[in-house]
Amino acid sequence: DAGVIQSPRHEVTEMGQEVTLRCKPISGHDYLFWYRQTMMRGLELLIYFNNNVPIDDSGMPEDRFSAKMPNASFSTLKIQPSEPRDSAVYFCASRGRMNTGELFFGEGSRLTVL
Amino acid sequence: AQSVTQLDSHVSVSEGTPVLLRCNYSSSYSPSLFWYVQHPNKGLQLLLKYTSAATLVKGINGFEAEFKKSETSFHLTKPSAHMSDAAEYFCVVPGNSGYALNFGKGTSLLVTP
Repeated sequence: DAGVIQSPRHEVTEMGQEVTLRCKPISGHDYLFWYRQTMMRGLELLIYFNNNVPIDDSGMPEDRFSAKMPNASFSTLKIQPSEPRDSAVYFCASRGRMNTGELFFGEGSRLTVL
Repeated sequence: AQSVTQLDSHVSVSEGTPVLLRCNYSSSYSPSLFWYVQHPNKGLQLLLKYTSAATLVKGINGFEAEFKKSETSFHLTKPSAHMSDAAEYFCVVPGNSGYALNFGKGTSLLVTP
């Protein structure tokens, strides 16, 4: 299996621009998670999906952030408009139905907003 | 709610010496606990997990952790550090939903020659 695939790996944009981050989970996994990692706040859960349905989006910072999962093999995290404080590494992770606790992470998308 | 506290933000050891990364947990019941590792510019990988089957848990790359209820600790150890062990290590508990994970602040391990 190719693992969780994220794109782009790096994104540099200017304040006010729209940013879209993409994730392909491991085939057969029912849960998909978006995390954000910063030096100041560490790893924060933004949102997670079960069977393509958002279950908990309480970690989404504000209305500028939105996430979708149109099908079992694809999810997006969108920021519009972007701000410098959104600069971070965004991780996507997935897991199967069995509650073993293990999440499988992608390599992350490093976002820099100038 | 469960939470973890990693007691050291940075740990430096010499190659070949033991590694100790400390984690205390807070839980009203017997928790599940995990250690994850993040190498530079990489995603996170499960190192080991405790789910109440055995208090001493062995993981990948020679790491192990011992669950001590009396001390509410789950420290990560390795007898002999390798240069390749240099990474960020996270102590982790399940979130309120039981499906997402809550990560500690992380401990950066530096291994010197």
